Amino acid sequence: DADVTQTPRNRITKTGKRIMLECSQTKGHDRMYWYRQDPGLGLRLIYYSFDVKDINKGEISDGYSVSRQAQAKFSLSLESAIPNQTALYFCATSGWSSGNTGELFFGEGSRLTVL
Amino acid sequence: AQKITQTQPGMFVQEKEAVTLDCTYDTSDPSYGLFWYKQPSSGEMIFLIYQGSYDQQNATEGRYSLNFQKARKSANLVISASQLGDSAMYFCAMILARGTYKYIFGTGTRLKVLA
Repeated sequence: DADVTQTPRNRITKTGKRIMLECSQTKGHDRMYWYRQDPGLGLRLIYYSFDVKDINKGEISDGYSVSRQAQAKFSLSLESAIPNQTALYFCATSGWSSGNTGELFFGEGSRLTVL
Repeated sequence: AQKITQTQPGMFVQEKEAVTLDCTYDTSDPSYGLFWYKQPSSGEMIFLIYQGSYDQQNATEGRYSLNFQKARKSANLVISASQLGDSAMYFCAMILARGTYKYIFGTGTRLKVLA
């Protein structure tokens, strides 16, 4: 099983619908992140969290909200989806421990299409 | 402001040749880390290599090496003996070790290895 799991992997929805992307991890990391990837723009940070009581906006948080339900779970919501939120969304975790360099560990990605 | 710049949107390399993917960064923080990730067409993000700002030697991982030139603020990825499986998108990323533990990404370089 993957260490960072995202659901759903693919979703097609309509403008105005509420969408939730879920992320769970088994790595025991405190830090969790949501990024979106668009062609030519790389990965941009939406929200990040360092523990269940610590939520921070990234560079493109407008139109999104998050919830850190537990150390292992971090969900991203689009309250009213719009077509320019069509993108590939990644959840990632990080944590310092012996044997790693603090790199991000990514989920498989969730491809969202808003019609 | 902190920034990662990848100026090569796309590159071609002949199989078995070496290739260099460029990355420059901008930060005033003396403590930071630099990462390279590979994203194959399947979409997952694969960590390749890490360089810390205080590391004296360039990082190497198998066929990957990071040409770290601190004064120039560059962290180029060198892939030796390119293979067809190296065809992918490559992202350079930076973490600021002090403060926010945010990771910022460049826009990526798409590498195509030719047989």
